[in-house]
Amino acid sequence: QEQLVQSGAEVKRPGASVKVSCRASGYTFKNYDINWVRQAAGQGLEWMGWMNPNTGNTGYAPKFQDRVSMTRDTSTGTAYMELSSLRSEDTAIYYCARPAKTSGWYIYYFDPWGQGTLVTVSS
Amino acid sequence: EIVLTQSPGTLSLSPGERATLSCRANQTVASNTLAWYQQKPGQAPRLLIYDVFNRATGISDRFSGSGSGTDFTLTITRLETEDLAVYHCQQYGTSPWTFGQGTKVEIK
Repeated sequence: QEQLVQSGAEVKRPGASVKVSCRASGYTFKNYDINWVRQAAGQGLEWMGWMNPNTGNTGYAPKFQDRVSMTRDTSTGTAYMELSSLRSEDTAIYYCARPAKTSGWYIYYFDPWGQGTLVTVSS
Repeated sequence: EIVLTQSPGTLSLSPGERATLSCRANQTVASNTLAWYQQKPGQAPRLLIYDVFNRATGISDRFSGSGSGTDFTLTITRLETEDLAVYHCQQYGTSPWTFGQGTKVEIK
């Protein structure tokens, strides 16, 4: 079935960077954008941005514009999200997710989702 | 950005009862672009409803969505113990896409 499988948990120091991976299976990787959403403990979901695996084009939420980079490796069907200058407030579960598509247009509700990657930022 | 406010924060009901969850936006949600997700403990969110009232593939007809403009509702009929989860609404009509803070449904 169509699924997204993410890399394992990470622990980072403040000021460091983290890179989370998301491998697609069960569908053609290049045919759908990959989005990233995060969830801090006890908080709601927060959309971070999108990446087009075919072109490499990206779009980021204003809050993350200066610190996030979304890339891909088409040979392995894997998307990556790198967040830099980490602070304690970045401690969260990071999810990759795929938007819907109809007649070639994206519709940004998400299905499926990856299983999530916990990133802990602590000194 | 569009802010979504969900209420109540927690809903505690018995099996067989009906749950009514609210999602209110601070401005009009464009073209009924509102979705609901279910997130069970320790799991990723799962799409339940899109375009306000369309159930996702494989979703029970006990789940239904309604509303327009700024006020939306998710209704769960005949509550089951497996419905224990946090439910999130999301708007995808105006970037950045935003989510509510979630409503936790507890089963007595």
